[in-house]
Amino acid sequence: DAKTTQPTSMDCAEGRAANLPCNHSTISGNEYVYWYRQIHSQGPQYIIHGLKNNETNEMASLIITEDRKSSTLILPHATLRDTAVYYCIVSSPTGTASKLTFGTGTRLQVTL
Amino acid sequence: GAVVSQHPSWVICKSGTSVKIECRSLDFQATTMFWYRQFPKQSLMLMATSNEGSKATYEQGVEKDKFLINHASLTLSTLTVTSAHPEDSSFYICSAREGAARAEAFFGQGTRLTVV
Repeated sequence: DAKTTQPTSMDCAEGRAANLPCNHSTISGNEYVYWYRQIHSQGPQYIIHGLKNNETNEMASLIITEDRKSSTLILPHATLRDTAVYYCIVSSPTGTASKLTFGTGTRLQVTL
Repeated sequence: GAVVSQHPSWVICKSGTSVKIECRSLDFQATTMFWYRQFPKQSLMLMATSNEGSKATYEQGVEKDKFLINHASLTLSTLTVTSAHPEDSSFYICSAREGAARAEAFFGQGTRLTVV
């Protein structure tokens, strides 16, 4: 019962920006948007999270729409090592809604 | 990011035996830990959520007597697969969250269990 919708797969050329969309139209006021990625046979890696404002760190940028019903993860200069499954998750950090439930994610393939 | 360590990385056991998997938060205190399992080419499935010092909350369909979870300290949680069967073979992953201090959770590297 994941609360997010993501495209199944995307391709991106190396060196270009990868823009991964996520719809979360039922997000609650206290729920954050989290992005994780999983490279084959490894545990998920935290990328970024946000509540209302756009966020940027050394890995990526997170753009959240004003109504918070959707967001976009941006990898500014994709490399082959960014090939992975990217998961968008909405969750509250505290209380009974604090669990992280994974959907099917987006399989990003970065190509030469 | 914070470091979560799982041990062992892989394990092979015989049917009917029990296997314990450890999950440690190395540089923070984890008030909440999550256990997942993942079958090939599928997403992570949440098994249970545990808070330090409390009984774990299991997801629907997960047998709590088969998958014993202990979260006795703020840096350690264990998952014991009891009376393992071949269908329990899977990739088990833990995650830890510091609670109110940090919103994000961090994941261990996973444990691949093969029951023969």
